[in-house]
Amino acid sequence: DIQMTQSPSSLSASVGDRVTITCRASQSISSYLNWYQQKPGKAPKLLIYAASSLQSGVPSRFSGSGSGTDFTLTISSLQPEDFATYYCQQSYSTPIFTFGPGTKVDIK
Amino acid sequence: QVQLQESGPGLVKPSETLSLTCTVSGGSISSYYWSWIRQPPGKGLEWIGYIYYSGSTNYNPSLKSRVTISVDTSKNQFSLKLSSVTAADTAVYYCARVAKQQLLIYYYYYMDVWGKGTTVTVSS
Repeated sequence: DIQMTQSPSSLSASVGDRVTITCRASQSISSYLNWYQQKPGKAPKLLIYAASSLQSGVPSRFSGSGSGTDFTLTISSLQPEDFATYYCQQSYSTPIFTFGPGTKVDIK
Repeated sequence: QVQLQESGPGLVKPSETLSLTCTVSGGSISSYYWSWIRQPPGKGLEWIGYIYYSGSTNYNPSLKSRVTISVDTSKNQFSLKLSSVTAADTAVYYCARVAKQQLLIYYYYYMDVWGKGTTVTVSS
């Protein structure tokens, strides 16, 4: 089974900060990595697929990078609406999907 | 645009079967995979399984013995049944569309449209 980890588990940041979240897979998953944003009481929202492809309608301040086992989600300039929990998810072992444990971004 | 809506009982007794339906509107259920995901209170996301519109399925190995996902293309719906539930199955249950994107020679899968979620509590 492929296990996903994320770091940090939580972080505090200010509006305008550059924020980086890391996701690591227990084995190589090539670029089969997606990122989601979830706000309290809401469904997750797809941000990035295939490690670095921006989903339609998602602001360009979000970007993804990485391949193999190490991946990064970057928010170039944190906005008030970006305070949320972020999850990575691998689809390399399709038909089995696995989510990471999440990273909560809150206000400093 | 495609919208998904979960429906079903909000309270299920221990040892009974949880049954939920996801209704797809604004588009056809055909030509896509459709998934169920759950989130226990205060915890992360857990993928339950998915079904292709043709009826083929795949399940999370940790839940496989208790899960059945089915599809009704005539109603544009797909459903989840989870048997022998316990308090550990208390969660918000989401349905989602699984998109398949070809980039170069590779196919990538991701969940691009989600329902709002429905809370299911397992309690006597």
